[in-house]
Amino acid sequence: NAGVTQTPKFQVLKTGQSMTLQCAQDMNHNSMYWYRQDPGMGLRLIYYSASEGTTDKGEVPNGYNVSRLNKREFSLRLESAAPSQTSVYFCASGTAALTQHFGDGTRLSIL
Amino acid sequence: GQQLNQSPQSMFIQEGEDVSMNCTSSSIFNTWLWYKQDPGEGPVLLIALYKAGELTSNGRLTAQFGITRKDSFLNISASIPSDVGIYFCAGHAGGTSYGKLTFGQGTILTVHP
Repeated sequence: NAGVTQTPKFQVLKTGQSMTLQCAQDMNHNSMYWYRQDPGMGLRLIYYSASEGTTDKGEVPNGYNVSRLNKREFSLRLESAAPSQTSVYFCASGTAALTQHFGDGTRLSIL
Repeated sequence: GQQLNQSPQSMFIQEGEDVSMNCTSSSIFNTWLWYKQDPGEGPVLLIALYKAGELTSNGRLTAQFGITRKDSFLNISASIPSDVGIYFCAGHAGGTSYGKLTFGQGTILTVHP
């Protein structure tokens, strides 16, 4: 009953470093999503994947790339981290009933 | 882009009180969802609404899909300390939205014992 698993849970980076946030779901959902959460701004969609093999930009895609590795896995990459990317990142998978199941997040600080 | 305005931004209530919060939009949504987020965790689905006028309950929680399809409401009755958290509304516009949701900014609920 893992649901949506995100790794790592915490990360500190220096400006300019790169890293990949990993996400895996075991619910056989077709769609997956990456959000960032900043205080007072709710959840903002970065990228999404409607199905295996497809990805598309969300509301705030600049500075990020994604890979839908297979049906289970959807990763988010920061090529050159900036302090403005300090945030909590959530991965979610979507059901046919339009609900989404979320992981517990990755807390990312960029110095 | 579409925006959801959620109010109030925060609430401080006494245990046992009822709570009401709402979400409004300038555009129509075909699905409304309500989530709760506990500290350090991801949002968890509370209630899903799929039809204008629909009223759905989940224990002490009741949510309604507004008739105009531009708003939704969440009520919590007889609040308890574990109701503390951030409550988010989310809407799905339908059509070719590919399951994408638009989220409100959240309502922070504090319950005093």
